[in-house]
Amino acid sequence: AQSVTQLDSQVPVFEEAPVELRCNYSSSVSVYLFWYVQYPNQGLQLLLKYLSGSTLVKGINGFEAEFNKSQTSFHLRKPSVHISDTAEYFCAVRGTGGGNKLTFGTGTQLKVEL
Amino acid sequence: ETGVTQTPRHLVMGMTNKKSLKCEQHLGHNAMYWYKQSAKKPLELMFVYSLEERVENNSVPSRFSPECPNSSHLFLHLHTLQPEDSALYLCASSQTRNTYAGELFFGEGSRLTVL
Repeated sequence: AQSVTQLDSQVPVFEEAPVELRCNYSSSVSVYLFWYVQYPNQGLQLLLKYLSGSTLVKGINGFEAEFNKSQTSFHLRKPSVHISDTAEYFCAVRGTGGGNKLTFGTGTQLKVEL
Repeated sequence: ETGVTQTPRHLVMGMTNKKSLKCEQHLGHNAMYWYKQSAKKPLELMFVYSLEERVENNSVPSRFSPECPNSSHLFLHLHTLQPEDSALYLCASSQTRNTYAGELFFGEGSRLTVL
């Protein structure tokens, strides 16, 4: 089984500042990793995913994440945020074997202020 | 219409009512899911359907009853709910059930309030 920890429930940041949203996971097997974003009153949509290959993954809207196997982390970063990035961000993990479930974290609310 | 659509967007019901949530996907996917989203908790997977067959039922109380008449439609029938069932119910689809590694496409959710 896998688990995901998003330690920061809320992250306030000023517009045009950089941001990092932290995600740590626990798993006894190899994993696939995902970040989803949920804008107000909407469902979740995929930002980016790590399946294999380069540990630095680029996603939509200028976000990127780095898979660090030794630290079991998959932190999400953006060098300069915009007001429109205000949303809830969910990290998720899945074991690479067939039949494994997608396990979500509790989410981090990113609030971008002027 | 495109993507995954859910109706109604908001629902208020008493504990003795019977209501249904509807989900429709226009993506040609073969797997559909119901998730429960409660504040400050991880998304809880409730049911998974693959090619209209229920393949997963995660210890969900019997007051929630899913139905998948075809690969494009998914329902969640609700009866004698409890106040703690108040939450956002999200429908999702994916190309195949085995593509858990692939992308899930979510609807906007149905906000349920049980009085």
